[in-house]
Amino acid sequence: EPEVTQTPSHQVTQMGQEVILRCVPISNHLYFYWYRQILGQKVEFLVSFYNNEISEKSEIFDDQFSVERPDGSNFTLKIRSTKLEDSAMYFCASVVDGYTFGSGTRLTVV
Amino acid sequence: GIQVEQSPPDLILQEGANSTLRCNFSDSVNNLQWFHQNPWGQLINLFYIPSGTKQNGRLSATTVATERYSLLYISSSQTTDSGVYFCAVERIGSEKLVFGKGMKLTVNP
Repeated sequence: EPEVTQTPSHQVTQMGQEVILRCVPISNHLYFYWYRQILGQKVEFLVSFYNNEISEKSEIFDDQFSVERPDGSNFTLKIRSTKLEDSAMYFCASVVDGYTFGSGTRLTVV
Repeated sequence: GIQVEQSPPDLILQEGANSTLRCNFSDSVNNLQWFHQNPWGQLINLFYIPSGTKQNGRLSATTVATERYSLLYISSSQTTDSGVYFCAVERIGSEKLVFGKGMKLTVNP
């Protein structure tokens, strides 16, 4: 079964540092998403991406966040200057019939 | 935005027991999915079920879209069924999945 691949699986970073989370969506999918889950809480929508541009973003997705599709396969989420409250599990998803989620990147900001 | 309510919030079962998880939602949807979050945090898609009934082994799900609810049935539960179960919906006209708060299932041997 096709998979969404995320790297790294874990990342620890110092507050104020930039991080880039990477995703390889399923190849024939057109819609891509980032979600996050703070420990013990529900999964929250961050941003959707279609046709090489953001189609919707949540209030969480402020100027510190950006997304890119630098080539035909990768989809990245960048956090410019991480804060302690950015610590969470970040999930990438791609969609055709239903959402397929990657295995997530656990980001810890210290 | 659309509200997604899951019940019960927590459930503890003995291995072999059956259970029913419920998801209520507040608006018309064109997508509903059930996920199992395993102890490693991975979201495993169980069912894509905007309407109707599906079965996959010991698990089955039914969505009654006109009444805005979905049920996930787990039969003959096993310890490996433990984890958090999420219902998530996509409202008609929206392009994002909205999750419920989840239901923590613990299956004891």
